[in-house]
Amino acid sequence: GESVGLHLPTLSVQEGDNSIINCAYSNSASDYFIWYKQESGKGPQFIIDIRSNMDKRQGQRVTVLLNKTVKHLSLQIAATQPGDSAVYFCAERGNTGKLIFGQGTTLQVKP
Amino acid sequence: GAGVSQSPSNKVTEKGKDVELRCDPISGHTALYWYRQSLGQGLEFLIYFQGNSAPDKSGLPSDRFSAERTGGSVSTLTIQRTQQEDSAVYLCASSRIPGLAGYEQFFGPGTRLTVL
Repeated sequence: GESVGLHLPTLSVQEGDNSIINCAYSNSASDYFIWYKQESGKGPQFIIDIRSNMDKRQGQRVTVLLNKTVKHLSLQIAATQPGDSAVYFCAERGNTGKLIFGQGTTLQVKP
Repeated sequence: GAGVSQSPSNKVTEKGKDVELRCDPISGHTALYWYRQSLGQGLEFLIYFQGNSAPDKSGLPSDRFSAERTGGSVSTLTIQRTQQEDSAVYLCASSRIPGLAGYEQFFGPGTRLTVL
């Protein structure tokens, strides 16, 4: 069935280092992928998205990479800051149009 | 409004009672979604409304769960005869019609439901 998962439940990085959060998806027909950030007590917040006809997209301090061959998605955060500490979810748009979310990776930024 | 709003922010109820959770989407957004998030878990899809189309109810966990969207705007998620396993944060999101511009969903702050 459709599923999106993350390789690591928790990632701990030093402030100023780059962070890489990984995600695997199973539906090869998915055409759109999104990364969300969720801070404690809040709803998820959009970070960046990518369509399946792209393999890389850059935003402000963030880059999303899509490897359709191995069905892998990653989020790179440059110069990680304490404010980046949160849970990060990847999501894919399935055949019916609804988003399917992964379990999430907790990013901890050490000062 | 400026964003998606949900009410109440917290709800504590006794097992067996019915609860109603409300979502006010962003004005002009035709798509509305409900998700459930248990502690430390990802988002579980519940139901999806898109314009005047029949809603996608494939994620509702049992017939105790139902949702409606009146006038294409406000939505209410109803849980009947609540059980302790229904305790979770219920999140609502809205988006424009999916298209070339993307599919971004804007989330509300959620309603934390606790069933005693």
